[in-house]
Amino acid sequence: GDSVTQMEGPVTLSEEAFLTINCTYTATGYPSLFWYVQYPGEGLQLLLKATKADDKGSNKGFEATYRKETTSFHLEKGSVQVSDSAVYFCALSDRWSGGSNYKLTFGKGTLLTVNP
Amino acid sequence: GAVVSQHPSRVICKSGTSVKIECRSLDFQATTMFWYRQFPKQSLMLMATSNEGSKATYEQGVEKDKFLINHASLTLSTLTVTSAHPEDSSFYICSASEGAGYGYTFGSGTRLTVV
Repeated sequence: GDSVTQMEGPVTLSEEAFLTINCTYTATGYPSLFWYVQYPGEGLQLLLKATKADDKGSNKGFEATYRKETTSFHLEKGSVQVSDSAVYFCALSDRWSGGSNYKLTFGKGTLLTVNP
Repeated sequence: GAVVSQHPSRVICKSGTSVKIECRSLDFQATTMFWYRQFPKQSLMLMATSNEGSKATYEQGVEKDKFLINHASLTLSTLTVTSAHPEDSSFYICSASEGAGYGYTFGSGTRLTVV
């Protein structure tokens, strides 16, 4: 079945540091890939997505590139801010999983804390 | 952009009672809604998928009679936790989609505490 593996946290960085959160996946079909962010006490917000190989999703300074050859979708940001402190989820939706209503499969989440 | 409203945001109930959580898509028609439960240390578990006008599809291990899901219209889905017990205390999140390729919009979650 489909699965998503992302680096375990927590990750603690100083402001303006470089961020990488690794994410790899397994899927039976040809998935779309997502990064979601969850701020304390809130639901999930879509951060970025990519729907085909070599696509780069980007938003708010965050980037991730869909790498089919390495089945990866690592999240990066060049200079993090205190306001980026949140939990980040990598997810996939396998459009070919047939009958599953294109549900999202999530990684376990990575807690990021950015200190001033 | 697409907005999903989830209510209540927090609820405390007594053991043995039932609690209903509502999920509404405010500016789009949600053909499919998903209900998740979030456990400590962040992990999200898909509980069930519901399509408007039909019975929900539950994931393995989720009790259908305990977690009743109704998706009676294209803008509203409800999750009812019946005969709640302290172990049902959790953060429940809904998600809605217009269909394949349209993406997913999440509600803000409901913190359920059963005492």
